[in-house]
Amino acid sequence: AQKVTQAQTEISVVEKEDVTLDCVYETRDTTYYLFWYKQPPSGELVFLIRRNSFDEQNEISGRYSWNFQKSTSSFNFTITASQVVDSAVYFCALSSGTYKYIFGTGTRLKVLA
Amino acid sequence: DTEVTQTPKHLVMGMTNKKSLKCEQHMGHRAMYWYKQKAKKPPELMFVYSYEKLSINESVPSRFSPECPNSSLLNLHLHALQPEDSALYLCASSFPGGFQPQHFGDGTRLSIL
Repeated sequence: AQKVTQAQTEISVVEKEDVTLDCVYETRDTTYYLFWYKQPPSGELVFLIRRNSFDEQNEISGRYSWNFQKSTSSFNFTITASQVVDSAVYFCALSSGTYKYIFGTGTRLKVLA
Repeated sequence: DTEVTQTPKHLVMGMTNKKSLKCEQHMGHRAMYWYKQKAKKPPELMFVYSYEKLSINESVPSRFSPECPNSSLLNLHLHALQPEDSALYLCASSFPGGFQPQHFGDGTRLSIL
């Protein structure tokens, strides 16, 4: 069975704080992809990153960084120096090659000014 | 602005009405998706079209009828909906293959009276 767990339901931080969103996944497949999406109040899911199971390199994009660790089945997302515009629901998702994503339940991030 | 356009943005309909949701993309994607999202939940996959053919139907009730007239358009025809069908309906598109990032529209907020 495949599963994605985002244990943090809601996080509140003050602007300029760093925040890490956790994602733990379960799969028996050796080939899989992990994704992060951002859903602001406007509704659309915005694609942030894709990582495949063979690439454990961490990635940094501006204030965003991702830490993929197969040993702990985790794909965590850190926002550095958070801003109010980062307030959104963030979803982690898993795909093993079918069109169907396995989504986590999402983490609502509130960044307070 | 998102590259996947959904219309209408909001829709209120009675249980006996017939309406359609529309989705359009011009990114050359050959896979298109319909999702249903209830408040504070992750999106749930409903249908997937690949190369204009229905590839996945996640056991969706027949009161929802998808249609893919061409590679850029996706419709969802609604008839005799129930109050529990009130939700945000998201369209997405991607290049073919389950590992591809999906690009989402803003969604249609549907309310059934």
